Amino acid sequence: QVHLQESGPGLVKPSETLSLTCTVSGASTTAYYWGWVRQSPGKGLDYLGYVYHTGATNYNPSVASRLSMSIDTSANQFSLRLTSVTAADTAVYYCARLSTIFGANFDQWGRGILVSVSS
Amino acid sequence: QSVLTQPPSVSAAPGQSVSISCSGSTSNIGTKDVSWYQQFPGTAPRVVIYDNNERPSEIPARFYGSKSGTSATLAITAAQTGDEAHYYCGAWDSSLNTWVFGGGTMLTVL
Repeated sequence: QVHLQESGPGLVKPSETLSLTCTVSGASTTAYYWGWVRQSPGKGLDYLGYVYHTGATNYNPSVASRLSMSIDTSANQFSLRLTSVTAADTAVYYCARLSTIFGANFDQWGRGILVSVSS
Repeated sequence: QSVLTQPPSVSAAPGQSVSISCSGSTSNIGTKDVSWYQQFPGTAPRVVIYDNNERPSEIPARFYGSKSGTSATLAITAAQTGDEAHYYCGAWDSSLNTWVFGGGTMLTVL
């Protein structure tokens, strides 16, 4: 059974950097693509990007200038860093597995972590 | 404004069929596989349809996906109150070179 768990601070100050880690169990991060999706309060799903085990990344153009993702296959974890955050970055952040075996889809999700941006 | 367009809400009586549309373009739905996600309040989304019309084993056969041209549809037959949730379509967009989600549709069964 695949399990993803987000971790990181629940509160970040404006202009600072938001850092989150996703720990994967039941699957190896040396396979599949690993992504982040966020959801602002009362809003829809917002794709942020993915990282592959080679270190290759894809970022949503809307946040690409502030976003970086990395992967540590030895720890079976992948991470997100979002710089210069504002209140608009307040959201539940989900890590998810992007499978491309039978059509691209996010087939496994973490429970999500609420990150608030406030002074 | 989402790249994929969904109606904000749909409703159905228990036992009736209901469908949710997702409209896109040739750079996403027209040439890429569509997936659908179900999200209950306070929980993570889960995929209910992938590869346009495939269901994970744990999803009831009442959920059916289809695609025609640049539009996709999620149909639920014999809707139940337990199906009340938000539903999102998603696909890769080759022009934007990014994944895109629809704005989401709230299904009410009453």
